[in-house]
Amino acid sequence: SAVISQKPSRDICQRGTSLTIQCQVDSQVTMMFWYRQQPGQSLTLIATANQGSEATYESGFVIDKFPISRPNLTFSTLTVSNMSPEDSSIYLCSVEGDTEAFFGQGTRLTVV
Amino acid sequence: SQKIEQNSEALNIQEGKTATLTCNYTNYSPAYLQWYRQDPGRGPVFLLLIRENEKEKRKERLKVTFDTTLKQSLFHITASQPADSATYLCALEGTYKYIFGTGTRLKVLA
Repeated sequence: SAVISQKPSRDICQRGTSLTIQCQVDSQVTMMFWYRQQPGQSLTLIATANQGSEATYESGFVIDKFPISRPNLTFSTLTVSNMSPEDSSIYLCSVEGDTEAFFGQGTRLTVV
Repeated sequence: SQKIEQNSEALNIQEGKTATLTCNYTNYSPAYLQWYRQDPGRGPVFLLLIRENEKEKRKERLKVTFDTTLKQSLFHITASQPADSATYLCALEGTYKYIFGTGTRLKVLA
């Protein structure tokens, strides 16, 4: 199993600003995943973060909008840049075990 | 494309009854299917996994069935309690990532 600490748990931000979300895992993992969960929607994968290489982004998500850092095997950050109200959502980081996913508590972002 | 469907309407049941949630999928034959619980303001928590060669899996008051012909999984909570109130997500392993359903919100009434 894995324990993931994610912060902040929530934030209210002004449009046009940026927010960086941090995710710390209690063990070394090769891949970390960032998801977005909009109200009433399923979890949507934003990108996969590998240590030592560029993150891999899913269709519809770009690095300029969601830059990701992965400085070591236990830590990653996701930045939501130049925010607009449409970015209001829950953002989750995740790691995978053998047959299941482990999630951080999520960051509830509201853009006003 | 791979798709998972869960009943988006909330399910309200009386305490002590059995809750049954449905997960249907298309365009895929997963090796296994997972169920997660998500409480408000929290990330999903893994509950159960059932493999394609298993018809049924149990864990305490939870039971999951997997019908690969119907492409459907059923998730049962027996003797439901108000503490079981949460959103339940099913997920399957896609080509290279997990694919999650939208979840069904369950409310157990005391």
